[in-house]
Amino acid sequence: DTGVSQNPRHKITKRGQNVTFRCDPISEHNRLYWYRQTLGQGPEFLTYFQNEAQLEKSRLLSDRFSAERPKGSFSTLEIQRTEQGDSAMYLCASSHRDEVEAFFGQGTRLTVV
Amino acid sequence: KQEVTQIPAALSVPEGENLVLNCSFTDSAIYNLQWFRQDPGKGLTSLLLIQSSQREQTSGRLNASLDKSSGRSTLYIAASQPGDSATYLCAGGESYNQGGKLIFGQGTELSVKP
Repeated sequence: DTGVSQNPRHKITKRGQNVTFRCDPISEHNRLYWYRQTLGQGPEFLTYFQNEAQLEKSRLLSDRFSAERPKGSFSTLEIQRTEQGDSAMYLCASSHRDEVEAFFGQGTRLTVV
Repeated sequence: KQEVTQIPAALSVPEGENLVLNCSFTDSAIYNLQWFRQDPGKGLTSLLLIQSSQREQTSGRLNASLDKSSGRSTLYIAASQPGDSATYLCAGGESYNQGGKLIFGQGTELSVKP
């Protein structure tokens, strides 16, 4: 296992379209996190899973956003009816239940035109 | 509400110089602090983690310290190299049970000139 994997790396979409991103965490990690990072800013927390349960959602996660983690393995983040303000880097991280250190993927860069 | 601030926002130094990056947080109830490196357009690479009971961590030319009472952490880079050029982010975690839920600073963009 080489770390947290995110796909696609880049996505360009037209405003109003739906997009879905995938995150595969490190295999033994039961905690999974999604973050959003805009240019020149630090990442901001979006949501958090422990196994398949979504335990927390930030107020940044509007109704157009939905995240799932079926069977507690990979996770998907879907954005419906994309807006230009959704353009950002979407980062996924995972951590082991007995540790606090988070490991991040390479991110998915979304551009909404 | 926890807020994390990094100073300076950008730093340019000649190769070989020792440097210190600063991170401050508003709530001393921080549980752990993690320093990351981010190259342009890339994800985050974990550099150092300071856990709740620790005050500092070292890895190679990097040393990070955490002072909860003053709400500060520093990242010391010795003998800087052009390959150290990147954005450095500090992030605080507020509990063990949410280890990867982090509050980030805005980062310090470091440029090391040959």
